Amino acid sequence: RKEVEQDPGPFNVPEGATVAFNCTYSNSASQSFFWYRQDCRKEPKLLMSVYSSGNEDGRFTAQLNRASQYISLLIRDSKLSDSATYLCVVNPVDSNYQLIWGAGTKLIIKP
Amino acid sequence: NAGVTQTPKFQVLKTGQSMTLQCAQDMNHNSMYWYRQDPGMGLRLIYYSASEGTTDKGEVPNGYNVSRLNKREFSLRLESAAPSQTSVYFCASRRGGERVQPQHFGDGTRLSIL
Repeated sequence: RKEVEQDPGPFNVPEGATVAFNCTYSNSASQSFFWYRQDCRKEPKLLMSVYSSGNEDGRFTAQLNRASQYISLLIRDSKLSDSATYLCVVNPVDSNYQLIWGAGTKLIIKP
Repeated sequence: NAGVTQTPKFQVLKTGQSMTLQCAQDMNHNSMYWYRQDPGMGLRLIYYSASEGTTDKGEVPNGYNVSRLNKREFSLRLESAAPSQTSVYFCASRRGGERVQPQHFGDGTRLSIL
């Protein structure tokens, strides 16, 4: 089992819809989680950190489910500009320095 | 407001040639990283430097060497380039030592080995 797994997609979603995708991780003791966005093989850019209580940033909501070992990202009122690959990142407890990256979920917003 | 700067942005090499990818950050971060990204795959860690003066192997270190020249700069060297090293290379930095801190990336170097 991969340490961090994501559905590669693509998710084809009409503009204005709500879309959600999950990321599962294998190390139950993992402490820190992030969602990054990557456009067409440009550099990954931090979208948001994921906190235990869940957090929201505008149209984006991130949740952590420790019992089932997954994090989720929900995008409301999706825009064409949301089209990108979303990368899930986990900081395993046994490393202060390394992050484990998922391969990403591709999202395509259609007009 | 440069953040993480990588040079060059593009490079084409012949098999067996050597080259060094440069990375510099101006955020006073302790940790720096080199990744490669191949089509359809996630980022794979080549080497990292937790702090100035230290370097450690990541997931795919074979064929590469690194130097943490000072706190700002972390270079990646290919001694004898192979076609399998054709990839996009990203440098990243992180404040380091604090698990909640994310990484910040450079624009990437697109490297082709013929």
